[in-house]
Amino acid sequence: GQQLNQSPQSMFIQEGEDVSMNCTSSSIFNTWLWYKQEPGEGPVLLIALYKAGELTSNGRLTAQFGITRKDSFLNISASIPSDVGIYFCAGQLRQAGTALIFGKGTTLSVSS
Amino acid sequence: AAGVIQSPRHLIKEKRETATLKCYPIPRHDTVYWYQQGPGQDPQFLISFYEKMQSDKGSIPDRFSAQQFSDYHSELNMSSLELGDSALYFCASSQPRVQQDTQYFGPGTRLTVL
Repeated sequence: GQQLNQSPQSMFIQEGEDVSMNCTSSSIFNTWLWYKQEPGEGPVLLIALYKAGELTSNGRLTAQFGITRKDSFLNISASIPSDVGIYFCAGQLRQAGTALIFGKGTTLSVSS
Repeated sequence: AAGVIQSPRHLIKEKRETATLKCYPIPRHDTVYWYQQGPGQDPQFLISFYEKMQSDKGSIPDRFSAQQFSDYHSELNMSSLELGDSALYFCASSQPRVQQDTQYFGPGTRLTVL
């Protein structure tokens, strides 16, 4: 099946540092979404991207939809302890109403 | 803002029993999706419905079935439960004609099969 390669798998950073994670695929996606998940809870949408080259910010978070439509990155600036969690990229290959394919996630740990 | 509602939040069943999970989408959302997430795994797509019709199908076992009702809520029916069915089950909803296909997830149902 289709796969998204998400890296890094985990990150251990100090409070105040910037973070960058990315997802790549051999397939072209119509939509890229970034979610954050905390243990036992549902994924929470952070940023949605719909057009190649689109750069979108949400507070300290910035994400971009790659020009080739095969990749996306998420940056977090000035990390804080509550940023701890698992970050997932997700892409949609086909039309609305169809599956999201998830990356394996990036586990972020922030020490104060 | 209203979110996706799932019930029950926790469910414990024995092997070979049946289970029904319910999902109530965000108001005015007409598309629902079901995902399964095993421990330490990413969510895996099971099935989706748009306007009460199946719109996509993923790795859903034949023992599972789902439907969407006229009020847009959805139910996932799971029969002949196996130990491997223990997982978190998420429902997501979207309103593709208005907000493209941004999928919002519910809090999940944790199913434990003993």
